[in-house]
Amino acid sequence: DAKTTQPTSMDCAEGRAANLPCNHSTISGNEYVYWYRQIHSQGPQYIIHGLKNNETNEMASLIITEDRKSSTLILPHATLRDTAVYYCIVRVASDAGKSTFGDGTTLTVKP
Amino acid sequence: GAVVSQHPSRVICKSGTSVKIECRSLDFQATTMFWYRQFPKKSLMLMATSNEGSKATYEQGVEKDKFLINHASLTLSTLTVTSAHPEDSSFYICSARDHLNEQFFGPGTRLTVL
Repeated sequence: DAKTTQPTSMDCAEGRAANLPCNHSTISGNEYVYWYRQIHSQGPQYIIHGLKNNETNEMASLIITEDRKSSTLILPHATLRDTAVYYCIVRVASDAGKSTFGDGTTLTVKP
Repeated sequence: GAVVSQHPSRVICKSGTSVKIECRSLDFQATTMFWYRQFPKKSLMLMATSNEGSKATYEQGVEKDKFLINHASLTLSTLTVTSAHPEDSSFYICSARDHLNEQFFGPGTRLTVL
């Protein structure tokens, strides 16, 4: 799996958009970008994934650059409950579970 | 989305005893499940891949005789920490893969060895 780099921590004001970047410059053509988050003392929660097109679901949007070397997870209206560690992972679709979790970004949403 | 459960959510045991942790996929069948360990303020580390009906595959550095994995059905995998010691205290998380290759995580089990 390709490695990813993310900022260690970020703050966001409640109600504002949270933009979490991820660099994956060595991503292969068949590797997807997955985002998970982990709220304290809970298991990781799937957020969204994409290959090359931008994706949106009820939780977030995923913007992938044209060269696929980086991506941004957008939480459009952050709430206090979005405070968590966010992990960006790149992997082949068939390798679910074999993903390497980096240190992630600790997002703190402040009132 | 699919639901994965773990039992127990929290366990405290004495040094030298064995502890079994269950991981269940509640509304789907999972031929493959995964076990992770997470130390405080650290990321998840894959310990082993559990395959239904066959032996688990362990990651480098993980003792297979200490962390026994059994995946006897398509909805249940168990991790037994044998002869637990304080350094085995950690947050153990399982995940299950569905037929679409999506991965769903359990809520985790906090193990404390006294």
